[in-house]
Amino acid sequence: AQKITQTQPGMFVQEKEAVTLDCTYDTSDPSYGLFWYKQPSSGEMIFLIYQGSYDQQNATEGRYSLNFQKARKSANLVISASQLGDSAMYFCAMRERNSGNTPLVFGKGTRLSVIA
Amino acid sequence: NAGVMQNPRHLVRRRGQEARLRCSPMKGHSHVYWYRQLPEEGLKFMVYLQKENIIDESGMPKERFSAEFPKEGPSILRIQQVVRGDSAAYFCASFFPPGQRESSYGYTFGSGTRLTVV
Repeated sequence: AQKITQTQPGMFVQEKEAVTLDCTYDTSDPSYGLFWYKQPSSGEMIFLIYQGSYDQQNATEGRYSLNFQKARKSANLVISASQLGDSAMYFCAMRERNSGNTPLVFGKGTRLSVIA
Repeated sequence: NAGVMQNPRHLVRRRGQEARLRCSPMKGHSHVYWYRQLPEEGLKFMVYLQKENIIDESGMPKERFSAEFPKEGPSILRIQQVVRGDSAAYFCASFFPPGQRESSYGYTFGSGTRLTVV
């Protein structure tokens, strides 16, 4: 069974608009961490934002925020004021038993294209 | 993520040759993961190592693939007798040891090695 599901293979957004990238996850572990990564065409993986399962507030990092709905098991990434440089693949990932020695499990990704 | 160094950036091998991929983690990091990314896919876990120890290799193919992280020097992912299906991007990620605050946050990835088997 898929542990991380990203249902949007591709998304388009107008420059300066906000966009939401969907991510749902599946785990029975009460302690887990959720991550979003950006992969531009150059190929590197860039960490964007992290949410712990026990965190009371939604994580924010600059123009990135994570809409964490625990009961629905969703962890959507919101990018505000999109820029052309935001065009990239975006991956949602989860770590169960939220400690450093369990591997990240990645979704298949969403390709975001920002239009001028 | 410039702190995690992977080389080479691109590697071309003929079928049947060996591929050696290197990863030097960030300073202070003693744990590394290797992931593989097939075209148009997310990253898939392969192996987790700390210095001189393999902690978890449940994602490694049973044959032809091996990994090490010696006391001195980089971590090495070795693929023997490569086949076309091994063509992928291979990423290394490092992080602080478990229990430290920084390990709660994102792993630091290298830029990857793109292996092409011809």
